[in-house]
Amino acid sequence: AQSVTQPDIHITVSEGASLELRCNYSYGATPYLFWYVQSPGQGLQLLLKYFSGDTLVQGIKGFEAEFKRSQSSFNLRKPSVHWSDAAEYFCAVVVPDNTDKLIFGTGTRLQVFP
Amino acid sequence: DADVTQTPRNRITKTGKRIMLECSQTKGHDRMYWYRQDPGLGLRLIYYSFDVKDINKGEISDGYSVSRQAQAKFSLSLESAIPNQTALYFCAIQRRANSPLHFGNGTRLTVT
Repeated sequence: AQSVTQPDIHITVSEGASLELRCNYSYGATPYLFWYVQSPGQGLQLLLKYFSGDTLVQGIKGFEAEFKRSQSSFNLRKPSVHWSDAAEYFCAVVVPDNTDKLIFGTGTRLQVFP
Repeated sequence: DADVTQTPRNRITKTGKRIMLECSQTKGHDRMYWYRQDPGLGLRLIYYSFDVKDINKGEISDGYSVSRQAQAKFSLSLESAIPNQTALYFCAIQRRANSPLHFGNGTRLTVT
């Protein structure tokens, strides 16, 4: 079945440390790829997206993500985490078929220690 | 005003009751979605609508129904609520295919 996998349920980092959140997908074709962030009590906010072109994409809040076709991955990174980055992060994909549905991963909860 | 407004923000109801969750938007987008969020399961699609006359089932539509009363309004109903429908429900809108979704702040529903 087509799916999106976020293998890390919960990650804890120290403020100022680097961060990488993993996302893998299992589709034959390259899907459209997104990362969303959910702060407590809030809806989801788009961080960045990849459709085509440069495989390293920049997003808001200092985040970036790299698409690697060979690994079917779209990992999210940030060089230096801030306490305000504590949130839940969701990877999502759209397979460009006639449904155009957005499928979400199960999320990674990020905790930041001072 | 928020682009996507969900009402109520919180609701507690009893098993067997009918309940409606409402979503309205101010962006004029045709595409609207209902998701539910459960811990460890991410967001799962319940129903979606690409225009007023178009309603589609998502991954987990059983036990739910929807109504697209107007372009700006998309309501989700639970005809007879059950405890495993306790979850956080999100409405989202989308300008066109593959553009980012804009989410409401969610409705937290508890069925006792």
